[in-house]
Amino acid sequence: EVQLVQSGAEVKKPGESLKISCKGSGYSFTSYWIGWVRQMPGKGLEWMGIIYPGDSDTRYSPSFRGQVTISADKSISTAYLQWSSLKASDTAMYYCARSHSGTFDIWGQGTMVTVSS
Amino acid sequence: DIQMTQSPSTLSVSVGDRVTITCRASHSISSWLAWYQQKPGKAPKLLIYKASSLESGVPSRFSGSGSGTEFTLTISSLQPDDFATYYCQQYNSYSTFGQGTKVEIK
Repeated sequence: EVQLVQSGAEVKKPGESLKISCKGSGYSFTSYWIGWVRQMPGKGLEWMGIIYPGDSDTRYSPSFRGQVTISADKSISTAYLQWSSLKASDTAMYYCARSHSGTFDIWGQGTMVTVSS
Repeated sequence: DIQMTQSPSTLSVSVGDRVTITCRASHSISSWLAWYQQKPGKAPKLLIYKASSLESGVPSRFSGSGSGTEFTLTISSLQPDDFATYYCQQYNSYSTFGQGTKVEIK
């Protein structure tokens, strides 16, 4: 079965760092882009960026460039989304998804990140 | 940036109704448009890609049309399982989602 499994929910304080993960299985992880999508509470979907695990080529939305870092470790079929200094406004559900020719055909279950003092 | 505008934001409908949701792009995106369905607490699900191609396993009551800057998602006869929020996504230049259309029970 093709699936993406994300790491569990996180509760952090402002200023802390965080790295969440997304592990792919059931397909060739290095042959598809993996994207990250933010959904703030009660709001819509926002495309953050994508990475090609085969060569780590990474593209960011202008809205998120410099705010987060997307990376991947192809040896363990895992993509990552990380923050160096969290803000309360980073509180959201974060989804990873497999990109198939630009669309997202397989989604992870989501990782809820709560940033609160 | 390409902006995507969906209308309406909310649609109050009954089972059996024909439902039409519109998505407009700020610049031409050819046919590089997808539609997703999202239910509360769940990840989105791909319904339509390349404006009018039905994703495998998606019921045929869903259809998409359009090209350039104007696109439509149609549900021919709304079923109880279809009450959800629908998003369009352009993937011509990077990618952007529309703001969503909530389909609720009248």
